[in-house]
Amino acid sequence: GAGVSQSPSNKVTEKGKDVELRCDPISGHTALYWYRQSLGQGLEFLIYFQGNSAPDKSGLPSDRFSAERTGGSVSTLTIQRTQQEDSAVYLCASSLGAGRVGETQYFGPGTRLLVL
Amino acid sequence: KQEVTQIPAALSVPEGENLVLNCSFTDSAIYNLQWFRQDPGKGLTSLLLIQSSQREQTSGRLNASLDKSSGRSTLYIAASQPGDSATYLCAVRAGTYKYIFGTGTRLKVLA
Repeated sequence: GAGVSQSPSNKVTEKGKDVELRCDPISGHTALYWYRQSLGQGLEFLIYFQGNSAPDKSGLPSDRFSAERTGGSVSTLTIQRTQQEDSAVYLCASSLGAGRVGETQYFGPGTRLLVL
Repeated sequence: KQEVTQIPAALSVPEGENLVLNCSFTDSAIYNLQWFRQDPGKGLTSLLLIQSSQREQTSGRLNASLDKSSGRSTLYIAASQPGDSATYLCAVRAGTYKYIFGTGTRLKVLA
């Protein structure tokens, strides 16, 4: 079956522009996560969705970052007024929900963002 | 504040060798711990998930152990193969659904 997909796979933008990153989770997965991986850094948690609600937004780096999820499926991560330090790979993951099997996370291939 | 450390940062071994990767965390109040592998330019693949009440999980040539009281987990890879070459990441879930990742161990298995 289809895995987690993300688009675009690569995005080059100019400083100050807004960008929108998309994640399509595995069908039926209620939990969705966004992470950021900067060069030489570990994965940094950004936000978690259970259904359409985000009980934990603590990882969003600033108010320039926002995310939403609609229909319990597709999620978009929006970065406004991009800065060069936003350059990173943005990874999305989904899982069934809770419990040992349900919490196994399935990752998409990521969106590589470069802010010039 | 939960911190996750992985040692070594990089490891190179000949094919066929058994090896151990280490993961340590500072706060023992975790819900679960997961091990992932990441191939260059790709997303992560989940290998094993250990709940806080469990001591170990096994999948094929992989065995992961968890010692919450000492804040440690190990990933044991038996009879390593060149296809095992990747970066291995551990992550802990601490209470909420927030996962804290280590910076990984970059493994190279030489043919």
